[in-house]
This record gives sequence, C-alpha cells and structure tokens, in this order.
Amino acid sequence: SQQGEEDPQALSIQEGENATMNCSYKTSINNLQWYRQNSGRGLVHLILIRSNEREKHSGRLRVTLDTSKKSSSLLITASRAADTASYFCATASWDGNNRLAFGKGNQVVVIP
Amino acid sequence: EPEVTQTPSHQVTQMGQEVILRCVPISNHLYFYWYRQILGQKVEFLVSFYNNEISEKSEIFDDQFSVERPDGSNFTLKIRSTKLEDSAMYFCASSPRKGWMGQETQYFGPGTRLLVL
Repeated sequence: SQQGEEDPQALSIQEGENATMNCSYKTSINNLQWYRQNSGRGLVHLILIRSNEREKHSGRLRVTLDTSKKSSSLLITASRAADTASYFCATASWDGNNRLAFGKGNQVVVIP
Repeated sequence: EPEVTQTPSHQVTQMGQEVILRCVPISNHLYFYWYRQILGQKVEFLVSFYNNEISEKSEIFDDQFSVERPDGSNFTLKIRSTKLEDSAMYFCASSPRKGWMGQETQYFGPGTRLLVL
C-alpha cells in the first residue's frame, strides 16, 4: 500500500531562515497533501499537489512533487516562531478510495 | 470559516468499557473519515464513510469498531470494548467529494484524546 514517509530528521532553525523537509512514497498517487500539527493538537491542511503538478505555492509555502522519484518537498520561507510544529505528508492513491497514508512527520523548531 | 468539531476533547475510560467519539463534519461535505494517532506514531486511517455506509476500512477497524451518522450533522465512532492499545488521539475528517478535482482535501478536527486504563 502507498505510504508517505518523511525524512525523519528534526530540524532546528533560526527565525527568518528557510526550512525544507522531504517526503518519499512507494506507489502511484492521485495527490499528496502536507499537514501541520502543533504539539498535541489537530492536523491543519497546508497544501495539496496533484500528481500532474510539479510545483505549487501558497504564501510562504512551496511544494514540489517528483513522481519519477516518488518524492515531495515542502519549503517554508522566512520561517517564524509560530511555524514550530510537526509537518506530515500524506498521499492518496488512484485506487478509487480517498484514504490518506501519512508519513512519520518532521519536527521543526524555529528559534526566535 | 467552517471547521470540523469533535467532542469530547479528552476521554478516560476503563478497559472493557464502550466509548463513543463524536464529530460534526463540515456541513456541505459528503465524505467522512476517522483516523487515529498513537502517541509518537503515524496518523493511521481507520475508516471512510459515504452515503450512509462504510466505503473503506483498514485492518485496524475490526468488529470492536463501528461508525454511524445518526442524524444530518453528527458522525460517531464507537469502540465497544476498549483495550489498552486503543489509547490514542482520534481524528475525524471530512471532504467535499472523493477523487474530484479540487475537492479531495480532507479537513481534520482537533481530535479526541482517548486514554484507556
């Protein structure tokens, strides 16, 4: 079954720097979504990129998708302390269902 | 902005007891989901629900689990006889359509943290 898998590195950066995290998956996908989770809280949808798209922007977020490598990256530019959170990628397949397969998450700490 | 709501935010129960977790999806959405996240682990899919029936369920969703949409607004997850390993954060989600361009985004609720003692 498909599975989003982030690089499991925790990332600690200074405010104002850019944060990049990666995600790889194993099977064909319909779309890939990125979510943010603040400690012990709910999942906030950030951005969705479809399998026929290569790059997408939303505010300070930039997502890329490389279906040949089965990987995606999320870039947060000009990070803020409020960006401190865990970031998850989740993939949805073409199999007619809409279940999301989540990765393990990347912990990002932005130091003020 | 419309959002998915869940109640209760926290629930503590004794092993073997039944629990019902409640969700109110976004009002014009048609697809509903339950996921869970055991502490420190991945978010895992449990079940999806459409047109008053289960669309898909994972291997986690065994006979102890059931879902229901008792009225036009609520969507519930029942665990009949809780086990210690059911302790987790349970998330409800909803989406407007399934696999339709621009409509696939799943919007998650804040979660119910279930602790089974």
